[in-house]
Amino acid sequence: ETGVTQSPTHLIKTRGQQVTLRCSSQSGHNTVSWYQQALGQGPQFIFQYYREEENGRGNFPPRFSGLQFPNYSSELNVNALELDDSALYLCASSLYGGGHNEQFFGPGTRLTVL
Amino acid sequence: AQSVTQLGSHVSVSEGALVLLRCNYSSSVPPYLFWYVQYPNQGLQLLLKYTSAATLVKGINGFEAEFKKSETSFHLTKPSAHMSDAAEYFCAVTRGGGADGLTFGKGTHLIIQP
Repeated sequence: ETGVTQSPTHLIKTRGQQVTLRCSSQSGHNTVSWYQQALGQGPQFIFQYYREEENGRGNFPPRFSGLQFPNYSSELNVNALELDDSALYLCASSLYGGGHNEQFFGPGTRLTVL
Repeated sequence: AQSVTQLGSHVSVSEGALVLLRCNYSSSVPPYLFWYVQYPNQGLQLLLKYTSAATLVKGINGFEAEFKKSETSFHLTKPSAHMSDAAEYFCAVTRGGGADGLTFGKGTHLIIQP
């Protein structure tokens, strides 16, 4: 059974650029959630995808957007990068059907915005 | 709205001593509660979860937590600390549908003294 994988592991961008981060779900999972973890903080929920549609969203602006593909993999896109977007971005996969379902996390993508 | 407060950004214990990491939550509906551990440069790993069954929950690596509704707490304990327990620990809450994602506390860094 393959776990959650993310690519790339590290990324450096400059302010104003756009970035795409990728996530492959754990086998059998149909729901993907994305989180932003700033240095020294807990992860913050960005959004969740199920059946290729956004199913829930945290307090993040529209320049954070996503996609989910038929194989349940997902992308996180961030436009007009700001310095405060520097963080570890975590993807988590789970089974749809309730908050009691465990979310399995990938190792994350470390984004640095200069 | 839901929130999590973790008391103590750093906790230091001696190897073999009791580990106690505190978590208090706020939720307008019955919550699901989780403890995750994060090792350096890694994603999050689930230690245990409370999903309205038994109030005393046993997890991996000898950890357990007790859900106390009257105190809105879900403290994490381990009878005897091991050097390998040194890591960042996060308490998280979510509610029924799960589409709100997990709301995490700021984390507690556990230091094990030899």
